[in-house]
Amino acid sequence: ILNVEQSPQSLHVQEGDSTNFTCSFPSSNFYALHWYRWETAKSPEALFVMTLNGDEKKKGRISATLNTKEGYSYLYIKGSQPEDSATYLCAFLNTGTASKLTFGTGTRLQVTL
Amino acid sequence: ETGVTQTPRHLVMGMTNKKSLKCEQHLGHNAMYWYKQSAKKPLELMFVYNFKEQTENNSVPSRFSPECPNSSHLFLHLHTLQPEDSALYLCASSQTGFSYEQYFGPGTRLTVT
Repeated sequence: ILNVEQSPQSLHVQEGDSTNFTCSFPSSNFYALHWYRWETAKSPEALFVMTLNGDEKKKGRISATLNTKEGYSYLYIKGSQPEDSATYLCAFLNTGTASKLTFGTGTRLQVTL
Repeated sequence: ETGVTQTPRHLVMGMTNKKSLKCEQHLGHNAMYWYKQSAKKPLELMFVYNFKEQTENNSVPSRFSPECPNSSHLFLHLHTLQPEDSALYLCASSQTGFSYEQYFGPGTRLTVT
């Protein structure tokens, strides 16, 4: 059984705050790490797919880093806005079970004015 | 229509009923997936189809029966379900190989009474 853990479970920040979440995953047989944003009443949408150790990806105010040797990824949001409120999921793929994503339970972010 | 669609969006069924969930993707992908989202649990992969062939059955009880007639359509046939099967059922599609980035449908909220 593959363990993917996310912390914190939930987070409440003020508009303009910067924040970050953690995803930890098994460090062996790494293939890819995905981040998804899931807004209420909508479908999960991919933010980043990361495959290389040391990868850093950015989309607007959101960025992510990857450390495959120690088995963690960070997601950063700079200057949070109310529209960033969502659940952020990470998912892990290993080389032995390609196409079978293992998801974490997510970090629920609420941004208030 | 674009993306991944699912019908119905909501379903209430008794334990003796038979019903089916439908998923259609308009993205030209060759892999399709069923996921289950229960309260306070991670997204759980149920089935994977690659090029219409089932490549993953994640120890799902036989009261859930998938069908993939072609690369664009995926069904989940339900019969003699239990109340604990009440959950959100998400369909997703991806291209096989490289990243397996998932494109999700809006889900079917199932309640078993």
